Amino acid sequence: QVQLVQSGAEMKKPGASVRLSCRASGYAFTSYYIHWLRQAPGQRPEWMGILDSSVGRTTYSAKFEGRVTMSRDTSTGTAYLELSRLRSDDTAMYFCARSRGWTAFRIWGQGTLVTVSS
Amino acid sequence: DTQMTQSPSSLSASIGDRVTITCQASQGIRNYLNWYQQKPGKAPKLLIFDASNLEAGVPSKFSGSGSGTDFTFTISNLQPDDIATYYCQHYDKDVITFGGGTRVEIK
Repeated sequence: QVQLVQSGAEMKKPGASVRLSCRASGYAFTSYYIHWLRQAPGQRPEWMGILDSSVGRTTYSAKFEGRVTMSRDTSTGTAYLELSRLRSDDTAMYFCARSRGWTAFRIWGQGTLVTVSS
Repeated sequence: DTQMTQSPSSLSASIGDRVTITCQASQGIRNYLNWYQQKPGKAPKLLIFDASNLEAGVPSKFSGSGSGTDFTFTISNLQPDDIATYYCQHYDKDVITFGGGTRVEIK
């Protein structure tokens, strides 16, 4: 079935970087976009950016520009999110989600918990 | 950026009740609005897309309406399985924003 499977929980110190993965299965990876979102405890989801899986083009939320990098490996159908210069307020559940572009998110990954603490 | 104001932030209703949630955009967004259900520890689940279209496989007890700046989401015949937080979500090129969420509980 169509699914996105994300990598496991991460614990990082302030100032470090984290790289998360999102492996797609059950569909043609390059036919859809991958978005990354995060959700801090008790907060609304927050959009981080979009990756065109076909050509690798990215658009990032202004809030994360300069700290975030989204990439993909089409040979394995995997999308990646790298966030640098981590702070304690980056502690959140990070989700990848699939879409046809700037539309609804019908398929989500299960989420990866990132904890930033000294 | 377009701000999405969702209300109420929480509500408590009885089994069988009809529940209504509203989402207001700070500027006109046509019908570029979706509604999601999120249960604790889970990813959001799409219920309504483009303001009023029921996602495939979602029960018809869920419905949405509106266009421009004012949108409404309704749950008919509230059941224990509907206990969750519901979010509206605006989309457009280069922007995705969520409302603050409505936590629905059983009275």
